[in-house]
Amino acid sequence: GQSLEQPSEVTAVEGAIVQINCTYQTSGFYGLSWYQQHDGGAPTFLSYNGLDGLEETGRFSSFLSRSDSYGYLLLQELQMKDSASYFCAAQLNQAGTALIFGKGTTLSVSS
Amino acid sequence: KAGVTQTPRYLIKTRGQQVTLSCSPISGHRSVSWYQQTPGQGLQFLFEYFSETQRNKGNFPGRFSGRQFSNSRSEMNVSTLELGDSALYLCASSHRGRGRDGELFFGEGSRLTVL
Repeated sequence: GQSLEQPSEVTAVEGAIVQINCTYQTSGFYGLSWYQQHDGGAPTFLSYNGLDGLEETGRFSSFLSRSDSYGYLLLQELQMKDSASYFCAAQLNQAGTALIFGKGTTLSVSS
Repeated sequence: KAGVTQTPRYLIKTRGQQVTLSCSPISGHRSVSWYQQTPGQGLQFLFEYFSETQRNKGNFPGRFSGRQFSNSRSEMNVSTLELGDSALYLCASSHRGRGRDGELFFGEGSRLTVL
């Protein structure tokens, strides 16, 4: 079957750096996306890796290694507002409209 | 630019009933996909419509169906509701070729409770 594995919970303090790992097993893979979801809110797009390597977007970076079927999301200079659930998602079609999501990592940031 | 709009936001049904959920995508977006979110299973892909045609389908029973209209608005229907269908149903839109790959724009969802 197709699956993505990521840790269920991560805790950190303000100002710290945290890395959320994601390993995937899918048939047909075009890239890995990351989404953030606050309680009661809609998932919002954070980052995408279509090729191996690092993508940086402000305080967030994402990495992909296709040979290892592995990626991670790196969050730097953590803020309280970063407390949320983070999902990795494998893109299964070229159009990028069919995604398989991991079950999510709940990040708790404390002061 | 208005975001993805889903209606109704909340609804309660009983077992055996059917339900129809509606989604209006961002203007200009031609792809609409649907996801079911539950605490135990996370976000699961239901299906995707593009230009009124179902282009991709997840692993859900035939009780789950959908359609897309010429204005890109989409509806999904769940018939013969079961307790396990209680979930947040999320709609997402996308316009391939604009913005970043892998980027879907999600609505706030329709929270369905089956009693």
